[in-house]
Amino acid sequence: KAGVTQTPRYLIKTRGQQVTLSCSPISGHRSVSWYQQTPGQGLQFLFEYFSETQRNKGNFPGRFSGRQFSNSRSEMNVSTLELGDSALYLCASMTPNQETQYFGPGTRLLVL
Amino acid sequence: AQSVSQHNHHVILSEAASLELGCNYSYGGTVNLFWYVQYPGQHLQLLLKYFSGDPLVKGIKGFEAEFIKSKFSFNLRKPSVQWSDTAEYFCAVNGGSYIPTFGRGTSLIVHP
Repeated sequence: KAGVTQTPRYLIKTRGQQVTLSCSPISGHRSVSWYQQTPGQGLQFLFEYFSETQRNKGNFPGRFSGRQFSNSRSEMNVSTLELGDSALYLCASMTPNQETQYFGPGTRLLVL
Repeated sequence: AQSVSQHNHHVILSEAASLELGCNYSYGGTVNLFWYVQYPGQHLQLLLKYFSGDPLVKGIKGFEAEFIKSKFSFNLRKPSVQWSDTAEYFCAVNGGSYIPTFGRGTSLIVHP
């Protein structure tokens, strides 16, 4: 079974721009979560989508948004980029019994 | 709200040394516990998990963890580390929410 895939793997943007990241979950997984990983901060939960609905949300500003499509693929959008948004953005899909998450390779975003 | 604390932020060991990484959580109810590993340049992988039953859990690559409910701990152990164990290790817990909360991670460097 193919794992979680994320595109693109690397991105360089400038302040003020916006960016869209994509995630395809493991086949059969309907829950997709997004995390921001920065050195020293670990993984900070952004939001989770299930059946095209945002089911959980972390403590990030409204510049961070997401959506999920009928095939469970998910996108995350960050508008008006700031330098502090530079991070590794991880996507994880959850098993149908909602017990275990499996992670993708991440998208490394650099904001200049 | 649940929280996770990983006491060791950086650990440096020589090959063949024994490893123990601490993880404590705060949540009063039933929990599922996880250890994930992130090797340099690779994505986050599940190392082991505890849901119920035997509190001593064995994972991949010779790792094990022990759940001690009275201490709210889930420490990761390996009797003899190898250079290839150099990685970042994350403890995670999900209790009231099926979305796990992650610790800040422990960076392990193993010298050959």
